Amino acid sequence: AQSVAQPEDQVNVAEGNPLTVKCTYSVSGNPYLFWYVQYPNRGLQFLLKYITGDNLVKGSYGFEAEFNKSQTSFHLKKPSALVSDSALYFCAVRDAFTDNLFFGTGTRLTVIP
Amino acid sequence: GAGVSQSPSNKVTEKGKDVELRCDPISGHTALYWYRQSLGQGLEFLIYFQGNSAPDKSGLPSDRFSAERTGGSVSTLTIQRTQQEDSAVYLCASSLERLSTDTQYFGPGTRLTVL
Repeated sequence: AQSVAQPEDQVNVAEGNPLTVKCTYSVSGNPYLFWYVQYPNRGLQFLLKYITGDNLVKGSYGFEAEFNKSQTSFHLKKPSALVSDSALYFCAVRDAFTDNLFFGTGTRLTVIP
Repeated sequence: GAGVSQSPSNKVTEKGKDVELRCDPISGHTALYWYRQSLGQGLEFLIYFQGNSAPDKSGLPSDRFSAERTGGSVSTLTIQRTQQEDSAVYLCASSLERLSTDTQYFGPGTRLTVL
């Protein structure tokens, strides 16, 4: 069965510090992994995805994520957090067999000025 | 270009009434998806359409929920005899095709409140 876990409901980080939002997954086939961000009263915005190739994926707004097959993780990172990064972040995995997209429960990131 | 649009942005209805939610996907996208986001929960897949193929309805929570997609473009999600537990944000997404590698682009959602 496919699943995604975001172990932290809330992450707080000081502005200018590096941030990490964690995600682990479980799929039966090759994993295709996605990160989305949701600002208040807005839909989900695509940040980045891992399909194949380089384990380090770079995306929008300076975010990047590292695919780690042995640890089944796809943590989202940014070297220097901005207050405007404060939002709800969702990790998702797509199973190559079913094509369905499974989302985690989200992590609320708060960047403190 | 224009993104996915949804209407209405907010809908308040009384228990037992029917509601219709509309989604206009990105032009040229053949795949369209509906999700439900309940308070404090992640996204729950409801239904998807791919071109003229039969829709995948495996995520619909009950037979009160139905959806159609006319002309391969605009989609309508209908909830009959609404219940309070139907209160949620309903999100629509579209992608170029229904491939595992395709990115789904989301609309702003419709916030449904059932009183």
